[in-house]
Amino acid sequence: GQNIDQPTEMTATEGAIVQINCTYQTSGFNGLFWYQQHAGEAPTFLSYNVLDGLEEKGRFSSFLSRSKGYSYLLLKELQMKDSASYLCAVKGLTGGGNKLTFGTGTQLKVEL
Amino acid sequence: GAVVSQHPSWVICKSGTSVKIECRSLDFQATTMFWYRQFPKQSLMLMATSNEGSKATYEQGVEKDKFLINHASLTLSTLTVTSAHPEDSSFYICSASRGTSGRAFEQFFGPGTRLTVL
Repeated sequence: GQNIDQPTEMTATEGAIVQINCTYQTSGFNGLFWYQQHAGEAPTFLSYNVLDGLEEKGRFSSFLSRSKGYSYLLLKELQMKDSASYLCAVKGLTGGGNKLTFGTGTQLKVEL
Repeated sequence: GAVVSQHPSWVICKSGTSVKIECRSLDFQATTMFWYRQFPKQSLMLMATSNEGSKATYEQGVEKDKFLINHASLTLSTLTVTSAHPEDSSFYICSASRGTSGRAFEQFFGPGTRLTVL
C-alpha cells in the first residue's frame, strides 16, 4: 500500500521480544488491523485497534496512536513458528470507508 | 471463528482459457466479500469489493471485463479470470466480512488460490 509504511525485514532471537512498526496517513482513518501471513497461505487476524492505546492478547499486543498515524505490533516470547510476514492494514484510507489498505508487510525471521 | 473456503486451492491452465474461483463463507452470512491478488513477496492488492445482489466495485486499473465477479448469495462469491495470460499468474485471495463497521468489518480470509497460466 502506498500510504502505509512498515520495515521490510526484521530478525529476532527465539524467546526475545520484537516490535514491528507501522505508520500511515491519518486522513480517513477508521481502524487498523494486524495480520500474520505464512508463505503461501492466507493472512490470519491478529489484532484490531480503533482507539488509542494498547490491546493485549496473549503473546501479541498492538498499540495505536491516531494523532501520530502510528501503530506497532509487539510479539513476546518469540517462537520459531512466529517466522512469517506481518501485515498492517488500515480501513478507510482510500476511496470509501469500507476497504482495507495493506502495507507491504514485514518479514520476521526468528532465529535460535 | 468464521471460516471462509476457496476452491480450487491451485489451478494450472493454458493461456486463453477462463478460470473460475469460488469463495464461500461457511458459517456466517457475508455482507461483503473482497477479492485480492498477491504477487510473490508483495502485499495484498485489492481487486474488487462485492456485495450480494449488486455489481462489484473494481479498483482502479482492474479490468472488470477480464475479472468477472458474481456475488449470488450471502455465502458465495465467484471470480472468473477470462482469457487468462501468464501475467495473470498470481495468488488470489478472497475475504468476507459480516458488516461494515467496527469489529463486524473484520475480514476473514480464505486459504487462497494459486493460479498458474502456461
